[in-house]
Amino acid sequence: AQSVTQLGSHVSVSEGALVLLRCNYSSSVPPYLFWYVQYPNQGLQLLLKYTTGATLVKGINGFEAEFKKSETSFHLTKPSAHMSDAAEYFCAVSVLDTGRRALTFGSGTRLQVQP
Amino acid sequence: EAQVTQNPRYLITVTGKKLTVTCSQNMNHEYMSWYRQDPGLGLRQIYYSMNVEVTDKGDVPEGYKVSRKEKRNFPLILESPSPNQTSLYFCASRAGTGRNTEAFFGQGTRLTVV
Repeated sequence: AQSVTQLGSHVSVSEGALVLLRCNYSSSVPPYLFWYVQYPNQGLQLLLKYTTGATLVKGINGFEAEFKKSETSFHLTKPSAHMSDAAEYFCAVSVLDTGRRALTFGSGTRLQVQP
Repeated sequence: EAQVTQNPRYLITVTGKKLTVTCSQNMNHEYMSWYRQDPGLGLRQIYYSMNVEVTDKGDVPEGYKVSRKEKRNFPLILESPSPNQTSLYFCASRAGTGRNTEAFFGQGTRLTVV
């Protein structure tokens, strides 16, 4: 069965600093991986996704993630944090089950950006 | 504008009083699902529907019902709510049949059962 582990429930960075949010997955087949962002009082919004092809994926708002099969990781990065990046971030893997087609989510990482 | 609409956004109810949370999408998506979000647990799937009149259980279906009479609507029904169903609920829809299709989420319904 597929699963996702997000290391660090809270991450705090200074404005302008590098953002690194960690995600490791477990999957018996090639995974399809997603990062979603949840701003306060809002639903989840897709940041980026990896399906096949290029392992470095660029998303919205300057975020990117690199799929590393050897490390079973899909960490999310942004070179320079902005105050507006403060939100909760979820890594997810698409489940293989023929019917469910569900997303399995990690427990989330709340990003704080300090001025 | 493509969107998933949930109502209500906030709901406080008492134990045992039946309630329905509505969900509607305007993207003609076949696949719809309900998740609940709890601190430290991420989002867990409650029920899903692959098309009209086709529904099935997700990871945490106990205490919930759903129906899919029309393609655009997928209401979540709590016949007899209990305090452990206090949570933030999200409806989501996806197009197509591939694992690579993204999910579109509603804005969430914060339910408190007292």
